[in-house]
Amino acid sequence: VIWMTQSPPLLSASAGDRVTITCRASHNIGSYLAWYHQRPGKAPELLIHSASTLQTGVPSRFSGSGSGTDFTLTISRLQSEDFASYYCQQYYSFPWTFGQGTKVEVK
Amino acid sequence: DVQLVESGGGLVQPGGSLRLSCAASGFTFGNYGMNWVRQAPGKGLEWVSRIGGRGSNTFYADSVEGRFTISRDNSQNTLFLQLNSLRAEDTAVYYCAREHSIIWYLDSWGLGTLVTVSS
Repeated sequence: VIWMTQSPPLLSASAGDRVTITCRASHNIGSYLAWYHQRPGKAPELLIHSASTLQTGVPSRFSGSGSGTDFTLTISRLQSEDFASYYCQQYYSFPWTFGQGTKVEVK
Repeated sequence: DVQLVESGGGLVQPGGSLRLSCAASGFTFGNYGMNWVRQAPGKGLEWVSRIGGRGSNTFYADSVEGRFTISRDNSQNTLFLQLNSLRAEDTAVYYCAREHSIIWYLDSWGLGTLVTVSS
């Protein structure tokens, strides 16, 4: 099993801030990493796949980087709709695994 | 537009069974692998199971192996998850999710159906 460790679990920020979330894999997963966000009471939505490729329709303030075991998700200027939970997920090998999540809350 | 609509959730006693369905539309269903992902109340996402486009290549999380069975009916554009020997820790919202045809990340999700296991 490949374990995914996200940090921080909780991030307090203000609109306009630049925020970064990190995700570490227990084994080398190449670039087989996706990021999702989930607004309260809603289904998850894909933001980024292949570690750094923005899903169609996702705003350019979101970016992803990394490969191997260390990855980051950056939101360049936080907007009100970005206060949500964020999850990384590896799809390198089964079982697929998610990070524990990062909740981005209003400071 | 891709649409995934889950149904079949509800309240069931420990040891009981339930069958979840996911009706798909807006794409050629048989060309895509499909997954179930669950989320316990107030918790994170947990991948549950995956099935290939033709119904082969199934995989399960250790936590559900031997108790849950994933299947699909491509003629009805529907994905299923049979849940047997349910436990309290299976209580969660169950989402179906489509995987990308080549790279296998989860590119579309349904709204979920709630399964509550309680006596």
